[in-house]
Amino acid sequence: DTGVSQDPRHKITKRGQNVTFRCDPISEHNRLYWYRQTLGQGPEFLTYFQNEAQLEKSRLLSDRFSAERPKGSFSTLEIQRTEQGDSAMYLCASSFLTSGRNEQFFGPGTRLTVL
Amino acid sequence: GENVEQHPSTLSVQEGDSAVIKCTYSDSASNYFPWYKQELGKGPQLIIDIRSNVGEKKDQRIAVTLNKTAKHFSLHITETQPEDSAVYFCAASFDPGGGNKLTFGTGTQLKVEL
Repeated sequence: DTGVSQDPRHKITKRGQNVTFRCDPISEHNRLYWYRQTLGQGPEFLTYFQNEAQLEKSRLLSDRFSAERPKGSFSTLEIQRTEQGDSAMYLCASSFLTSGRNEQFFGPGTRLTVL
Repeated sequence: GENVEQHPSTLSVQEGDSAVIKCTYSDSASNYFPWYKQELGKGPQLIIDIRSNVGEKKDQRIAVTLNKTAKHFSLHITETQPEDSAVYFCAASFDPGGGNKLTFGTGTQLKVEL
């Protein structure tokens, strides 16, 4: 257990519905990352925050995706009008911004299935 | 952007043998190279990492080597045990100091047979 928690662990939804996932990072970590992992592939970067500021978004993050980290602690990832292609494992990671360190610790992930 | 290739995609070894997984990266600016182990139904777990100012790093049965000129890095596991069976991912990042996005390889399914 790395200390990063994600909720829910599993989500099944119908195409067209909206879903929201939550990530709680390790408490002192000020950087938070979202990745998406499809079956048989490595995680792909989606976006990351430093405190409450969203610093970078991948081209993978279409306008149906939005992420927030309102108080620089937990983060939410919302997918609107879900599509079957959104089915994947959504992983959250956190790290502590300090010179020379970039160890990212991952949570257990939220597995999304869009029917 | 960065591109990371990883080989082999599957690797089967006998318990006690060594396992080697190799990765190449494309962006010469990348300077941070972690390795993650992922068990079924779990998130990736960091097992070892190396920075570009170091050529080799070892932690008990696990070692990582880096060849910056060739843009290669490798994971070496010695005296493999059944609990080493998992999917292993390499990753690369340009880290100016304090963290940046990781680009992952496609993973290696390691099976350690008794």
